[in-house]
Amino acid sequence: AQKITQTQPGMFVQEKEAVTLDCTYDTSDPSYGLFWYKQPSSGEMIFLIYQGSYDQQNATEGRYSLNFQKARKSANLVISASQLGDSAMYFCAMREHPRASGTYKYIFGTGTRLKVLA
Amino acid sequence: DTGVSQDPRHKITKRGQNVTFRCDPISEHNRLYWYRQTLGQGPEFLTYFQNEAQLEKSRLLSDRFSAERPKGSFSTLEIQRTEQGDSAMYLCASSFSGTGRSGELFFGEGSRLTVL
Repeated sequence: AQKITQTQPGMFVQEKEAVTLDCTYDTSDPSYGLFWYKQPSSGEMIFLIYQGSYDQQNATEGRYSLNFQKARKSANLVISASQLGDSAMYFCAMREHPRASGTYKYIFGTGTRLKVLA
Repeated sequence: DTGVSQDPRHKITKRGQNVTFRCDPISEHNRLYWYRQTLGQGPEFLTYFQNEAQLEKSRLLSDRFSAERPKGSFSTLEIQRTEQGDSAMYLCASSFSGTGRSGELFFGEGSRLTVL
């Protein structure tokens, strides 16, 4: 079963506007972490923001904020004041509680391609 | 520390040949991951090392794939008898297991494999 769902294959946003990228997840573990990564055309995955399942407040990092709604199992990324350099693929990921093997496994969604328009 | 480095960045090979990719993680990171990413998809988990121990392998990793992390430092991913379906970007990532950190993965720039 797919555990991370990103339903928006592509999004457009006007420069300087805000944009929300959707992410829903599925887990039965009470302890987990949620991450957003940016992948420009160069290919490298860049960490943006983290939200722990027990964190009371939504995470923020500069222009990035994470709208964490635990009951709805959603972790949407909000980018404020979009810039042309924000054009990239964006991936939502989840790290579950360690498995019996001791593995900390990170599962990624299929991504959303964001295009910022001048 | 300059981050996670991968070598080679690009590899073109003929079907049936063997290829090996190398990953040098961030020095203080004890966890190392290999992922595979095909066009338009998110990274798919292949295998995980904690120090030198390989704790998990994905079912995606057929017998043609093998990974090592001798001495808990760099890691290699070898693909034997390559097939066209192996064409993908192979991503290496590392993380730190210390407390007080989010444990985010730090990725290398990837090794792109093309099998002709």
